[in-house]
Amino acid sequence: QVQLQESGPGLVKPSGTLSLTCAVSGGSISSSYWWTWVRQSPGKGLEWIGEINHSGSTYYNPSLKSRITISVDKSKSQFSLTLSSVTAADTAVYYCAAVPGGCSATSCYLNFWGQGTLVTVSS
Amino acid sequence: EIVLTQSPGTLSLSPGERATLSCRASQVVISRYLVWYQQKPGQAPRLLIYGASSRATGIPDRFSGSGSGTDFTLTISRLEPEDFAVYFCQLYDNSPLYIFGQGTKLEIK
Repeated sequence: QVQLQESGPGLVKPSGTLSLTCAVSGGSISSSYWWTWVRQSPGKGLEWIGEINHSGSTYYNPSLKSRITISVDKSKSQFSLTLSSVTAADTAVYYCAAVPGGCSATSCYLNFWGQGTLVTVSS
Repeated sequence: EIVLTQSPGTLSLSPGERATLSCRASQVVISRYLVWYQQKPGQAPRLLIYGASSRATGIPDRFSGSGSGTDFTLTISRLEPEDFAVYFCQLYDNSPLYIFGQGTKLEIK
């Protein structure tokens, strides 16, 4: 089954850019999954950030859209998140996850999750 | 944007008891897009129920989901010690694509 592992800096300065990578194993990143980012903070609970498929098609949360970019690197079997102009409100545990493709005809859910990585925004 | 409201915020029960958790949507939703997760401290959420009532692979049959329209329920028939955790409902919608409830903490009484 698909396994996901987040990596990236645990500390980012205010106004800086948060960059995380999710390594995919146990399955092909070129499969039909949508590769997804979710974050969890005490103040806002779980928040969907956005997703990408192997072709590079993306969907972003409108509340974050102006600051986020999600990309995929099939050669490295990984996908990435960048979040710019961060503030303390972006402090959270960031998860990568996988959603089965074509799910809108059945049910859409985050089937596989990484363990999560805590990112703190502080000077 | 649809809002999912979970109740109660905290539920205190004993092992062996029945747990009933609620997820209410701010407008009528498509049932097959309603999902439940379990999250234990320090872990990622785990998929429990999809399509409002279908158990995910490996989920014990003491977990069941029901509901339609705006009201959905997760029921745990007889609580086991490992069931004490936080439970989230989630909806697949237009924008944003995924909406989460704020969670219900199920704690040991």
